[in-house]
Amino acid sequence: AQSVSQHNHHVILSEAASLELGCNYSYGGTVNLFWYVQYPGQHLQLLLKYFSGDPLVKGIKGFEAEFIKSKFSFNLRKPSVQWSDTAEYFCAVIPTTSGTYKYIFGTGTRLKVLA
Amino acid sequence: DGGITQSPKYLFRKEGQNVTLSCEQNLNHDAMYWYRQDPGQGLRLIYYSQIVNDFQKGDIAEGYSVSREKKESFPLTVTSAQKNPTAFYLCASSTGTIAYEQYFGPGTRLTVT
Repeated sequence: AQSVSQHNHHVILSEAASLELGCNYSYGGTVNLFWYVQYPGQHLQLLLKYFSGDPLVKGIKGFEAEFIKSKFSFNLRKPSVQWSDTAEYFCAVIPTTSGTYKYIFGTGTRLKVLA
Repeated sequence: DGGITQSPKYLFRKEGQNVTLSCEQNLNHDAMYWYRQDPGQGLRLIYYSQIVNDFQKGDIAEGYSVSREKKESFPLTVTSAQKNPTAFYLCASSTGTIAYEQYFGPGTRLTVT
């Protein structure tokens, strides 16, 4: 079955530290890739997305992600985190040949940034 | 303001009772979705609808039912057949094509005792 893995369930960093959250998917075909973020008490919102073209995509708030097709990965990065980045982060995939608009979500990574 | 509203924010029910969660959107989106969020399990799709009067089962549809009589509304009923209904329920909508993001509501936390 198609799945999305986020291996880091909880991450704790100090402010100004660099961040990398892993995301791997199991699907051999073409995919659309997303990272969503859920700040405490707020709606889930889109951080960035990849459909085609440059595999390095930039999103809001200084986040970026790199699609590495050979590794089936779409890792999220930020060079210097802030306390306000404390949130839960979800990777999501749509296999483009699935014929549906169904996301497959990862289990999420809770990030806590210490001031 | 355009967006998705879910009501109520918190809901408490006794075991054996059906309960309906509301989801309304004024974004003119064709597609709507219901997810269940449990700690450590991410978001799991319950039902989705790509057009009015049509809906499809997601990965965990057992014990749930939906309707889509209007474009802006997609209520979810949690029936007494759902074995573990206590969870956080999220509604989302999108324009209906793969290329577009999903917009999420604030969620409803359902507790069944």
